[in-house]
Amino acid sequence: AQSVTQPDIHITVSEGASLELRCNYSYGATPYLFWYVQSPGQGLQLLLKYFSGDTLVQGIKGFEAEFKRSQSSFNLRKPSVHWSDAAEYFCAVGALYNQGGKLIFGQGTELSVKP
Amino acid sequence: NAGVTQTPKFQVLKTGQSMTLQCAQDMNHNSMYWYRQDPGMGLRLIYYSASEGTTDKGEVPNGYNVSRLNKREFSLRLESAAPSQTSVYFCASSERGESLNIQYFGAGTRLSVL
Repeated sequence: AQSVTQPDIHITVSEGASLELRCNYSYGATPYLFWYVQSPGQGLQLLLKYFSGDTLVQGIKGFEAEFKRSQSSFNLRKPSVHWSDAAEYFCAVGALYNQGGKLIFGQGTELSVKP
Repeated sequence: NAGVTQTPKFQVLKTGQSMTLQCAQDMNHNSMYWYRQDPGMGLRLIYYSASEGTTDKGEVPNGYNVSRLNKREFSLRLESAAPSQTSVYFCASSERGESLNIQYFGAGTRLSVL
């Protein structure tokens, strides 16, 4: 069965420090992978996506993610965190064909930023 | 730039009451989705509509019904609300019902069932 696992429920980093959020997926084919961010009280906004090609993808707000097929991972990184990055982050994989394009989400990782 | 609009933003119901959550998109998208978000569980798909005139069950459809009223609108109905349906509900849309299409989300409806 398809699944997405985000091992870290909550992470706290200091402002200016680097960040890596982990995502592992279980999938039976070439995955379409996404990272979304949810600010408090808001909907989800797409940070970046991976469909094919270069395994290092750049997104908005200075985020990047690296697809590693051998590790079934799609970790999100940022070199220097800003206080405004405090939010919940969701990794998702697109379901296989004939399932209406639905997304399968991980449990989410809540990011807190210390001043 | 409205995107995906959900109404209401907040709702409190008593057990057994019914209500309809409304969702509309102005991006001329073909596919629409309803998710629920619960702490520690991420988002789970309730129902989706790959195209106008079609609806299909997702992961957690029990207790819900949907209507794809037209291309723009996709509503979610709770016929007899239960406390287990306390959640945040998100509507999303995408250009086509394919995995490589980006989904755009509304701001959510926060529902409490007492």
